[in-house]
Amino acid sequence: IVVTQSPLSLSVTPGEPASISCRSSQSLVHSNGHNYLDWYLQKPGKSPQLLIYLGSNRASGVPDRFSGSGSGTDFTLKISRVEAEDVGVYYCMQALQTPSFGPGTKVDIK
Amino acid sequence: QVQLVESGGGVVQPGRSLRLSCAASGFIFSSHAMHWVRQAPGKGLEWVAVIWYDGGTQFYADSVNGRFTISRDNSKNTLYLQINSLRVEDTAVYWCARDRGADYWTAFDIWGQGTMVTVSS
Repeated sequence: IVVTQSPLSLSVTPGEPASISCRSSQSLVHSNGHNYLDWYLQKPGKSPQLLIYLGSNRASGVPDRFSGSGSGTDFTLKISRVEAEDVGVYYCMQALQTPSFGPGTKVDIK
Repeated sequence: QVQLVESGGGVVQPGRSLRLSCAASGFIFSSHAMHWVRQAPGKGLEWVAVIWYDGGTQFYADSVNGRFTISRDNSKNTLYLQINSLRVEDTAVYWCARDRGADYWTAFDIWGQGTMVTVSS
């Protein structure tokens, strides 16, 4: 399964919203009804961290300004109000078949 | 606290072998599937391999299948990655990561700090 993201880079003003799109080459809906799509953030110089799992579930400790939506082949990560600590590279990953990551979206602050 | 600590990285010549380790603590290691993920310098994330909670099932990325072997010792709370016939293109930071589930895979909710493998003559 091929995963693509857009845009590949994004410059955001603090306090403004941001949105990243992720698309897969085939549906990520499992037979159990869940969408096997996750979102990760890799802050500069750090290990990746899980933000959203199964399409729309926030991981433990993730601020509620992060939300995931979508189904099938089209998914979106939204940040309601970007903060300076949100800079880094955001990856979506499909987990329906052996996992594969999108190319990443680099987010920085204007 | 919940923690994964990788070790075993270093500078290795092409064709040589290396074994990476990942020590887990703060959670029931034997209840989770475990993964290895890597990132070449300046590149994106690449999933490498997964092993089920009991070590009975493994899957590999096509790019490493046949050269890499993932294993675990639940009595030692440790995950391993044996890398044979190292290639220059295996140069990367390698992370171990915990899956939320015991088998299959859903999401990687805990990551280690990573260990760097450099393949160079």
